[in-house]
Amino acid sequence: DGGITQSPKYLFRKEGQNVTLSCEQNLNHDAMYWYRQDPGQGLRLIYYSQIVNDFQKGDIAEGYSVSREKKESFPLTVTSAQKNPTAFYLCASHPGKSKNIQYFGAGTRLSVL
Amino acid sequence: GQQLNQSPQSMFIQEGEDVSMNCTSSSIFNTWLWYKQDPGEGPVLLIALYKAGELTSNGRLTAQFGITRKDSFLNISASIPSDVGIYFCAGQLNAGKSTFGDGTTLTVKP
Repeated sequence: DGGITQSPKYLFRKEGQNVTLSCEQNLNHDAMYWYRQDPGQGLRLIYYSQIVNDFQKGDIAEGYSVSREKKESFPLTVTSAQKNPTAFYLCASHPGKSKNIQYFGAGTRLSVL
Repeated sequence: GQQLNQSPQSMFIQEGEDVSMNCTSSSIFNTWLWYKQDPGEGPVLLIALYKAGELTSNGRLTAQFGITRKDSFLNISASIPSDVGIYFCAGQLNAGKSTFGDGTTLTVKP
């Protein structure tokens, strides 16, 4: 099946620890995105990548890092510098052509122990 | 950056009633999108609008791209229990990057 796969579904972080959230897509999409969602709020853009080996900061990039070494993969690392990491993280992708529609993964819920 | 005002924030309706929600912006967009999110899942696209004035339907859902390009509405007719969820609008000016509203939480009472 084609789609966007996020893993794990649930993740727990200890204080001072870095954790990495996985996002893989087999849709052959050029662009990929990471969003953070807090209860009762919309989606806030963390990082995005429009092409392999290139990425840009979104609105709330501090405390996060990404890489885009392969077209199908866009992992997000939540570093120890992110003091309030508890949230629902969503990965999305789109083809990179006109009439761009973002398609979302099922999300990863990150909690702090 | 651009911001979207989505309203209402929440709605509690009886099964069978019609629903209307909207998004407004101080900036223009070239594309408006409406998504639905079920609890603990990612948003799923409902309707995409690409031209000012465009009116598009998807089953019981109807959405319109405002003529000023600064607003959009979504209507749901004859609501059913599975319509429960959070509905998000999103505007795009340039290819790909979307600005999202804060969502409308819909509760449908049987």
